[in-house]
Parts: sequence; structure tokens; C-alpha cells
Amino acid sequence: ETGVTQTPRHLVMGMTNKKSLKCEQHLGHNAMYWYKQSAKKPLELMFVYSLEERVENNSVPSRFSPECPNSSHLFLHLHTLQPEDSALYLCASSQDLFGELFFGEGSRLTVL
Amino acid sequence: RKEVEQDPGPFNVPEGATVAFNCTYSNSASQSFFWYRQDCRKEPKLLMSVYSSGNEDGRFTAQLNRASQYISLLIRDSKLSDSATYLCVVLWGGSQGNLIFGKGTKLSVKP
Repeated sequence: ETGVTQTPRHLVMGMTNKKSLKCEQHLGHNAMYWYKQSAKKPLELMFVYSLEERVENNSVPSRFSPECPNSSHLFLHLHTLQPEDSALYLCASSQDLFGELFFGEGSRLTVL
Repeated sequence: RKEVEQDPGPFNVPEGATVAFNCTYSNSASQSFFWYRQDCRKEPKLLMSVYSSGNEDGRFTAQLNRASQYISLLIRDSKLSDSATYLCVVLWGGSQGNLIFGKGTKLSVKP
């Protein structure tokens, strides 16, 4: 069983849809992250949570809404997305905010 | 602007070669540095942390030059299995959890 699990692995949605990405970590870590990976661009940090409190929000459009109900789960709620939001969304966790990141396999999102 | 710059490559080298990757970062207050490895269609994984005094892990050596804001990764005796994209990662300034990734350098080791 992988330490960080993401669902769904693939998602296709229209610009008017509302969907959510889910991440679960089984490592007992205290910090969780959302990153966006697009072709020919570096991984972009979107959100950071530590002990269920958001500690970083890198100017992400409001059409992306994170939720961290407990230290093991992280969601990314999506609504009225644009085609340029199509990318691989990677969730990660770490023991604390300075530690090694453990990534999930990602959710491949396509916005039509 | 948060910048971590890497030569994108690709670096195409024969087995057994020594190859070096460089990375520069723009925030002089950054304190923690890492190299991650990402295989094709896989998630990134930590390769090694980079310490001020430099550190070695088998065939891999990482160096940090704070004055020049420069990090390097040296791979000796390259193996086919070293083929991957190598990502330079910087904990930005004095921030918490703000890990900034470079675009990565692609390495292809040929027989």
C-alpha cells in the first residue's frame, strides 16, 4: 500500500462542473500539500496545511478550494475551471514543514 | 519572484560516465536544499538533502555554495537506472513548507 493515495487518478470535466480531488496519507504525517505539474513548467506549490491549518496559499485562483478535515485527508474542490487548469495535481505529505515530501501518484485532470 | 533555475538538458551520457547538474536559486535567505528524482510518469521522490558541508551518498555527491546561491549534484559511474529527471528543490527563505521546485534536468543514460 502506498503511503499517499490520490483519487481519482484521472478526471475529465467540463468548465461548468464541480468535482473534488481526494488525498489520503497513511504515514502519520502532520503536513500536507497540493502541487500542480504542467508540461514544461516546474511543480507549482498551491496549498500547504500543517496540523489542519493552512500555512501557505500561493496566489491560487479561487476556483480551487482546499479542505483539510484532519491530518490524514486533504481535498481540492474544483469549480468553473478553465482549459489551462488541465494538469497533473500531486498531493504530498511530510512529517513536519521542513521534512522530506512523500508524493502520491497524482490526479490527471483534463478540463474541456 | 521565486526562482529556482536548472539546465533542462537533456543530458545524454554513456553508462559509466560522470555527469553534473547545476541549480541556482534567487532567495539568499533560503536554508534547506534538496535533490528529488522523478521517473517518467511517476511522482517525485527524495534523492538526497544538500548540506552546507557537502554530502555524499554512494555514487551521488551534492554540494552547496551559499555565496553564489548555487547547488550541484554529481553522479559518478552512471547506470541505466539513473535515467530520470532530477529536480532541485529549495525551502524558500525563512518560510514554512514553501518548497519551490526547479523545472528539472533530464538525464538519459545509454548502454
